[in-house]
Amino acid sequence: DIQMTQSPASLSASLEEIVTITCQASQDIGNWLAWYQQKPGKSPQLLIYDATSLADGVPSRFSGSRSGTQYSLKISRLQVEDIGSYYCQQAHSNPLTFGSGTKLEIK
Amino acid sequence: QVTLKESGPGILQPSQTLSLTCSFSGFSLSTYGMCVGWIRQSSGKGLEWLANIWWNDDKYYNPSLKNRLTISKDTSNNQAFLKITNMDTADTATYYCARRRTTRFDYWGQGVMVTVSS
Repeated sequence: DIQMTQSPASLSASLEEIVTITCQASQDIGNWLAWYQQKPGKSPQLLIYDATSLADGVPSRFSGSRSGTQYSLKISRLQVEDIGSYYCQQAHSNPLTFGSGTKLEIK
Repeated sequence: QVTLKESGPGILQPSQTLSLTCSFSGFSLSTYGMCVGWIRQSSGKGLEWLANIWWNDDKYYNPSLKNRLTISKDTSNNQAFLKITNMDTADTATYYCARRRTTRFDYWGQGVMVTVSS
């Protein structure tokens, strides 16, 4: 199975701050990576797919990048509505696997 | 507009079989490239992929659940199904169905909570 090591597990940041979450894949997954946001009590929502493509309706302050087998989600200017948990997911190989999640709070 | 909604028994006893239904609209599982997956999340925990079923009836399962999973579909009624046998308290979770497009799950249902308790 491909392991997705996500960090940090939790993060507290100030409004308008830049936030970065990373996922390290245990092997090459190319661009077969997606990022999701899950607000409290809600289902996950797609933010980024193919490692760098912004999903429909997602604010442009969200962006994804890749360096080898390390993937990053960046929020350029943190807003109140961005609080929640974030997960990466690889779709390169079955079984599909998710990162363990990052809980984002406002400082 | 794509929507998905899960339904299930809510509560069941250990060793029973869980039967879940995903009713969806806005797309067809008979269309090339379409796929529906099932994912679960235990309370306060992360996401675990369970199974996928594709438009051509290809099926893939998470081997961690060994032979307990069966996924199927009813294309005419826009539904997908998941059965999990021999349920245990460790299977207590919120179960989601989601539409999969190549690399991602682009639409998710609201989830259905399933509690396993004697």
